[in-house]
Amino acid sequence: DAGITQSPRHKVTETGTPVTLRCHQTENHRYMYWYRQDPGHGLRLIHYSYGVKDTDKGEVSDGYSVSRSKTEDFLLTLESATSSQTSVYFCAISPTGQGEGEGYTFGSGTRLTVV
Amino acid sequence: KNQVEQSPQSLIILEGKNCTLQCNYTVSPFSNLRWYKQDTGRGPVSLTIMTFSENTKSNGRYTATLDADTKQSSLHITASQLSDSASYICVVIPNTGGFKTIFGAGTRLFVKA
Repeated sequence: DAGITQSPRHKVTETGTPVTLRCHQTENHRYMYWYRQDPGHGLRLIHYSYGVKDTDKGEVSDGYSVSRSKTEDFLLTLESATSSQTSVYFCAISPTGQGEGEGYTFGSGTRLTVV
Repeated sequence: KNQVEQSPQSLIILEGKNCTLQCNYTVSPFSNLRWYKQDTGRGPVSLTIMTFSENTKSNGRYTATLDADTKQSSLHITASQLSDSASYICVVIPNTGGFKTIFGAGTRLFVKA
């Protein structure tokens, strides 16, 4: 997806280990988001950022932390991975809040499996 | 209960046929409603956006409609192509402030040759 990349694309990790997912954008958008996507559920917001070092919790933030030290990078950390965190994680960016106007631009996702 | 419900969960149609996907929402008031297309293994991509005062918006073979009275939106796909095989997600942005965007679970469309 143009302007936004996620890494890694796939990861398998063991229960209890820390995991960090990376999102990198080249669009200079102010807002960045981490969502998780699970079967039967709509995308659910984990954390979002509205500027460098400015972050806040979404509806499913327990067990996750984020950091944004540069405009272009937004990191999602699972401090101690659990099987319930097996999911596909999407990063999104937008120039305005809540994906209004131009809407969200999503990355291609990271498929995380916790065994 | 999810505030954005989509139906059907999945749909199979033949190439060249038309189809309509439904989205019922209870979110009110809202600033806009979007439809996104998500190809397998990819992130969602915006197809259409409508404000609460609009009742139709087209993007090529895709036409979205909105009925604010019944709180329903539909996405109509005309002359389907194999490349239309994807999930289609209805998204509502409440007009209540904060980051409360609500995503439907999506309809999985399969277009067969």
